[in-house]
Amino acid sequence: QQQVKQSPQSLIVQKGGISIINCAYENTAFDYFPWYQQFPGKGPALLIAIRPDVSEKKEGRFTISFNKSAKQFSLHIMDSQPGDSATYFCAASRETSGSRLTFGEGTQLTVNP
Amino acid sequence: GAVVSQHPSRVICKSGTSVKIECRSLDFQATTMFWYRQFPKQSLMLMATSNEGSKATYEQGVEKDKFLINHASLTLSTLTVTSAHPEDSSFYICSARTTNRGNQPQHFGDGTRLSIL
Repeated sequence: QQQVKQSPQSLIVQKGGISIINCAYENTAFDYFPWYQQFPGKGPALLIAIRPDVSEKKEGRFTISFNKSAKQFSLHIMDSQPGDSATYFCAASRETSGSRLTFGEGTQLTVNP
Repeated sequence: GAVVSQHPSRVICKSGTSVKIECRSLDFQATTMFWYRQFPKQSLMLMATSNEGSKATYEQGVEKDKFLINHASLTLSTLTVTSAHPEDSSFYICSARTTNRGNQPQHFGDGTRLSIL
C-alpha cells in the first residue's frame, strides 16, 4: 500500500529528445507527488511537484502529468540535454502525516550529445 | 533559500568507532528532519523522522540504539552511528522541512559518505 513503482530503471535519450519517466502508486491517501533529481555524490534536489487537484504542471522543460484515476504520474523532460543526465526519483506523501516521503526505485537518465 | 547543510561530506574510520553526522537548515527553521540511507544505485530508505524537541521515530528494522538521532534545535539534527562496522558503510542523507508556512517540501543535504574499514 505504501509502494511507489517507477519505470524504467534506466533510460538513454539523444540530446533534444523527450525523456519520459513513469510512476504508479497504490495508496489513494497520497496527496503530494514530487520529483527529485540526484547527481552522483549529491543529495536529491526537488525538481517539480504536483498535487492531485491538477492533471498537469509545467516548469520550464519539466512537466508532470498526473492521472488520479489510474494512480499514475509521469515526468516529461523536453529538449533533453546532457546536463540532465542524473538519477530521477518520484515520490509520494500524505501531507497530513508529516510528509513522510515514499520514493520510487529511481531512473538513471543518460542524455547523449 | 531552503538550504540544508550536511557535515562531514565524507568520513573514513575504523570498525568500532562512533561517527556523528550533522544536518543544519541554514535559512529556515526545520520543524521536522529526516534521515535516509542510500546504497549504490538504490533508492533512499527512510531511517527515522525527528521533530524538534521530541524523540525520533524510527522505521521498522532500524536499530535506535545503533543510530542515535538528536534534534535539539530548529536548525540542527545529528545522527550518531555507534560502534560502526563495515556493514554500516553507506551514503547517509538528511532532509529538513518546515511547517511554519503551511506544508513545505523536504529539502535535502548533500549526504555523508561513510566508509568503515
